[in-house]
Amino acid sequence: DIQMTQSPSSVSASVGDRVTITCRASQGVRNWFAWYQQKPGKAPRLLIYGASTLESGVPSRFSGSGSGTDFTLTISSLQPEDFATYYCQQAYSFPLTFGQGTRLDIK
Amino acid sequence: QIALKESGPTLVKPRQTLTLTCTLSGFSLTTTGAGVGWIRQAPGKALECLALIYWDGDLRSSPSLSNRLTVTKDTSKNQVVLTMTEMDPVDTATYYCANIRGGAAFDVWGQGTMVTVSS
Repeated sequence: DIQMTQSPSSVSASVGDRVTITCRASQGVRNWFAWYQQKPGKAPRLLIYGASTLESGVPSRFSGSGSGTDFTLTISSLQPEDFATYYCQQAYSFPLTFGQGTRLDIK
Repeated sequence: QIALKESGPTLVKPRQTLTLTCTLSGFSLTTTGAGVGWIRQAPGKALECLALIYWDGDLRSSPSLSNRLTVTKDTSKNQVVLTMTEMDPVDTATYYCANIRGGAAFDVWGQGTMVTVSS
């Protein structure tokens, strides 16, 4: 299985801050890579697919980059609704695997 | 508008078999390229992909669960059914089904159904 490691595990930030979350795959996944946002008690929401393509309806303050083994999710200016847990996921090989999550809290 | 909805028991006893149904609306698993995945999330834990089933019947199951897991599709009812045998308390989780687009990302998710394994 391809292991996905996110960092940090948690981060505290303020509204308006720029936040970056990283994800590293244990082997190359090319751009078969996605980011999700999950709020408590809710299903995950797809934010980014293909490593850098913004899902329809997702605000442009979210962006993704990377290829191969190292990926980044950036939120350019945090909004109150962005405080949530974020997961990365590879789709290069089955089983599809997710990172352990990064919890984004209000400072 | 694509939607998925999970249904099934909320409580199962250890060693029992769990059967969950995912009912699809707005799309069909008879459409070329269509696929549905089952993903679970234990309380406070990360997401785990259990299985994927595609329009052509291609099935991928998690190797760690493949001896316990069966996924089938009923195109007449537009449903996908997950069956997991020998349930254990560690299988307590919220179980989601989701549409997988292009085999790459889960773009539409069901609301999830919480399953507790306890005697």
